[in-house]
Amino acid sequence: KQEVTQIPAALSVPEGENLVLNCSFTDSAIYNLQWFRQDPGKGLTSLLLIQSSQREQTSGRLNASLDKSSGRSTLYIAASQPGDSATYLCAVEGNYGQNFVFGPGTRLSVLP
Amino acid sequence: ETGVTQSPTHLIKTRGQQVTLRCSSQSGHNTVSWYQQALGQGPQFIFQYYREEENGRGNFPPRFSGLQFPNYSSELNVNALELDDSALYLCASSPGGGRAEAFFGQGTRLTVV
Repeated sequence: KQEVTQIPAALSVPEGENLVLNCSFTDSAIYNLQWFRQDPGKGLTSLLLIQSSQREQTSGRLNASLDKSSGRSTLYIAASQPGDSATYLCAVEGNYGQNFVFGPGTRLSVLP
Repeated sequence: ETGVTQSPTHLIKTRGQQVTLRCSSQSGHNTVSWYQQALGQGPQFIFQYYREEENGRGNFPPRFSGLQFPNYSSELNVNALELDDSALYLCASSPGGGRAEAFFGQGTRLTVV
């Protein structure tokens, strides 16, 4: 059974810092991995999708990497801004399932 | 804006009642998945519909059921509501049976009292 964990559970940083969010998964037989952002009480916004054959994806200030063999992904946020404050969720889709398994999320606060 | 719309946005139900939640998928997407997200946790997979057929189910009891219509919109029905069913219910749409980027709606906040 796939299990996804995220470290840290919560993070508070001053504006302008570069930061790294970590995601680990137990079963390396994944089809893809997707990072989402969730504002309080809202739905999920897709940030980056990494296919299992890819090592990383970039979008603006965001860069996500994937090391499938070690069961790890990182989301790097450059030059953080207060508008980045949200919960960041990592989700993996397995080779044999048609659904995502989510981590519990990292709650990020960027202070002005 | 993802193009995935859910209704209603909030509702309150009494324990034992039944509820229907609705989801309109993004144009061109034939796959809809439903997730339950309890407060402070990641979403949990309920089930997925692909071209009007159930295409996978998570660890939820049979009182959670669903439908997908020819236009690929979908319903989630929950019977005999329990207090623990209080959660944010999320719908996600994707093309081609789910092996692609998923786009989520804003969710329906269900409170059972």
